[in-house]
Amino acid sequence: GENVEQHPSTLSVQEGDSAVIKCTYSDSASNYFPWYKQELGKRPQLIIDIRSNVGEKKDQRIAVTLNKTAKHFSLHITETQPEDSAVYFCAAINSAGANNLFFGTGTRLTVIP
Amino acid sequence: DSGVTQTPKHLITATGQRVTLRCSPRSGDLSVYWYQQSLDQGLQFLIHYYNGEERAKGNILERFSAQQFPDLHSELNLSSLELGDSALYFCASRGALGARGTEAFFGQGTRLTVV
Repeated sequence: GENVEQHPSTLSVQEGDSAVIKCTYSDSASNYFPWYKQELGKRPQLIIDIRSNVGEKKDQRIAVTLNKTAKHFSLHITETQPEDSAVYFCAAINSAGANNLFFGTGTRLTVIP
Repeated sequence: DSGVTQTPKHLITATGQRVTLRCSPRSGDLSVYWYQQSLDQGLQFLIHYYNGEERAKGNILERFSAQQFPDLHSELNLSSLELGDSALYFCASRGALGARGTEAFFGQGTRLTVV
């Protein structure tokens, strides 16, 4: 099955700085890569996703890049704010196959005011 | 509201007991995934059902089992409970009929405490 690795496990940044979280995947057939944000005690919620036919996607302060050749994708948050503090999870899915949803181990982001 | 309903929200039970967690997916979603999240840990994949059939198993203990019913709701059964089974259990649903590459929506989770 798919193996998704995520780094770093913790990340602290000053408010206003950028944050980058990186993930790698093992199954070259994976074609859908969502990112979820989980605030303390709450459910994970999708913040951005990218499909394998796209190299980059942006939504305001959040962007995701995908390198299919290297099998890695990254989440970029610019102009970080204290409310960005949460745990972020990446995932990879082979939508043409079993559609199993495997998550990375998570990154705890802390934005220091 | 994600449209995914999990019951109960909280459950406290004793070691050795058996519990059933319930998940109702979003209308039309055929896939149900179960995850275990221990304190400050990640989302450990347990099992995936699609339209009533088991699709994949993760690190699910033999004491745990699940099923998906014809109305697409799913139940996760945990038996011979141990203290270490205390965790937040999430289900997620995904994939309206015929759709691929779509968002998975999570329920609010069931917090299980084994005492």
